[in-house]
Amino acid sequence: KQEVTQIPAALSVPEGENLVLNCSFTDSAIYNLQWFRQDPGKGLTSLLLIQSSQREQTSGRLNASLDKSSGRSTLYIAASQPGDSATYLCAVRRSGAGSYQLTFGKGTKLSVIP
Amino acid sequence: EAQVTQNPRYLITVTGKKLTVTCSQNMNHEYMSWYRQDPGLGLRQIYYSMNVEVTDKGDVPEGYKVSRKEKRNFPLILESPSPNQTSLYFCASASGSSYNEQFFGPGTRLTVL
Repeated sequence: KQEVTQIPAALSVPEGENLVLNCSFTDSAIYNLQWFRQDPGKGLTSLLLIQSSQREQTSGRLNASLDKSSGRSTLYIAASQPGDSATYLCAVRRSGAGSYQLTFGKGTKLSVIP
Repeated sequence: EAQVTQNPRYLITVTGKKLTVTCSQNMNHEYMSWYRQDPGLGLRQIYYSMNVEVTDKGDVPEGYKVSRKEKRNFPLILESPSPNQTSLYFCASASGSSYNEQFFGPGTRLTVL
């Protein structure tokens, strides 16, 4: 059974710092990995999607990498801003036809201090 | 605007009173799914649907029913809600294309007294 772990559970950084969020998964047979952002009491916003054949994806100040063989992904946030404060979730979709189920980590709660 | 909508957003009910949470997407997605989110447990899948009239159980289906009569709608039905179903519920959808990015609704906060 796939297990997804995110460390640390919470992170506090001063504004302007670059930071890395970590995600690890136990079964490397994945189809893709998706990073989400969740604001308190709100839904999930998709940030980046990395296919199993890809090594990284970039969107603005965000860069996500994937090392499938070692079961790890990182989300790099450059020049952090207070508006980046949220919980960040990673989710993996297992490989295999017809399997769309996502297995989520419990998230990293990020606080960016002005 | 491409989106997944859920109604109601907030609901307080009593044990045993049947309720339905609606989910609708306007992206013509084949795949739809329901998750619940609980503190310390994260998001867990309840049911999913690969297409119209095709549904299957996720990890925590007990106490829930779903139907997929139309492509755009995927309601979640609680026939006899219990307090342990108090949770934050999310509906999601994805296309059948090779990328399958999943899009989530805003959530429904359900309290069962």
